Amino acid sequence: QSALTQPPSASGSPGQSVTISCTGTSSDVGGYKYVSWYQQHPGKAPKLMIYEVNKRPSGVPDRFSGSKSGHTASLTVSGLQAEDEADYYCSSYAGSNNLVFGGGTKLTVL
Amino acid sequence: QMQLVESGGGVVQPGRSLRLSCAASGFAFSNYGMHWVRQAPGKGLEWVAVIWYDGSYKYYRDSVKGRFTISRDTSKNTLYLQMSSLRAEDTAVYYCARDTEGSWYFDLWGRGTLVTVSS
Repeated sequence: QSALTQPPSASGSPGQSVTISCTGTSSDVGGYKYVSWYQQHPGKAPKLMIYEVNKRPSGVPDRFSGSKSGHTASLTVSGLQAEDEADYYCSSYAGSNNLVFGGGTKLTVL
Repeated sequence: QMQLVESGGGVVQPGRSLRLSCAASGFAFSNYGMHWVRQAPGKGLEWVAVIWYDGSYKYYRDSVKGRFTISRDTSKNTLYLQMSSLRAEDTAVYYCARDTEGSWYFDLWGRGTLVTVSS
């Protein structure tokens, strides 16, 4: 049950795009379509932003998009806004009824 | 509106037990699988356990197997996590979360309840 690997931090200026990576193995990210992304503001509960690699729940701006290539999933935030500053976590089903999260990435809007 | 509200957290000594509750409202609780996810202070998210929509299956992360028990009471629309033999490393905010379609993603979260294991 090893955590997925995310960069500790990422940053961008308002209006720019930023991409956060999430690297796993063939036993998790590479093996299933069940990759999700969550946004968490300080002191708040996580919020679902992307599920099943690239699907957006209703209400999530289309500035947020997801993709996957091999063992690495990515979250791209386009047209950065101040309210996008938060921690972002990826997760993946890892088989045998087990789920793993990434260590989290702190996104700073400069 | 749909919501999950956790309760039962607090300070507990190592080796003791605690039961968390998660009250669901605004949706058909019996139709959804439910999970517990925890977050140690200043750390990332960690999946803890899942229970199928009908309670037929339950699964746990290795570090809590044999110590934690997840259950649900459909008549009360409530999810539980019974924690025993608590350790310092179990200190965390515990969130309950709703699983949509058994696809291992969580579209509804509670605000969490803090469990502190300390002597």
